Amino acid sequence: EVQLVESGGGLVQPGGSLRLSCAASGFTFNIYEMNWVRQAPGKGLEWVSYISSSGSTKYYADSVKGRFTISRDNAKNSLYLQMNSLGAEDTAVFFCARSGSSTLDSWGQGTLVTVSS
Amino acid sequence: QSALTQPASVSGSPGQSITISCTGTSSDVGSYNLVSWYQLHPGKAPKLMIYEVSKRPSGVSNRFSGSKSGNTASLTISGLQAEDEADYYCCSYAGSSTFLWVFGGGTKLTVL
Repeated sequence: EVQLVESGGGLVQPGGSLRLSCAASGFTFNIYEMNWVRQAPGKGLEWVSYISSSGSTKYYADSVKGRFTISRDNAKNSLYLQMNSLGAEDTAVFFCARSGSSTLDSWGQGTLVTVSS
Repeated sequence: QSALTQPASVSGSPGQSITISCTGTSSDVGSYNLVSWYQLHPGKAPKLMIYEVSKRPSGVSNRFSGSKSGNTASLTISGLQAEDEADYYCCSYAGSSTFLWVFGGGTKLTVL
C-alpha cells in the first residue's frame, strides 16, 4: 500500500524558515516524480513544487520561487521542502503527492504550517 | 494563469445524480486530456477519483464518471450516497514550469 506521511509543520514567525519532510513507503520511490501541494485555510488546492525522480529537475510556482527549495533523498525514501522567508500567505496544509498515471495519484494527509507572530 | 472555475456548492438527494463542472482555458483543460478529480474529506488524504478525464482508478466506484468538452470538464456522481458528501477538486496539467498543475477552487457536495 502506498503511504506518504508528511511531517515538520508547525507555528513559525513571519520571515522564518521551516523544513517539511515526506516519508514514502509501499512503492519504489526512486522511479517516481513527486510534488508538494498546499491548501490555505478555506481556500482551494495550489500546486507548489515538482521534482523529477532523480532530483535533477525542479519546478516551482511563482508564489514560492526563490523562497522554497524542493529536494529528495532516494536512499531514505524521503521528499523535502525547505521553506524560507515565510509570510502569512504561506499558512496552509502542505501535502506531498506522487506523480503517476499522468496525474497526482497518491497523497499524504498533510502537515499544517502556520505563519504568525 | 488562474485557477479552474468550479461551482462553490452542489447538492442532491440520495439516489440522485449530480454533475460538477470545471472550466479552464485553452492552455490547460482545453489543451490536455489530463484532467483529474479529487475527493477531500477534512483531515484525510485527498483521494483520486478520476484521471485522464474519464478513467477510474482501481477501487473507485463506477458511480463516478468524468468527461470533457472544450475547456470544460465535468464530474458526474450517480446514485448519490451519504458517504459521497465531501469537497471535490478538479485538476488539470498546465505544462508550464511555474504552473505545472492547476486546480479548481473546489465544490462542496452536500447529500440532503
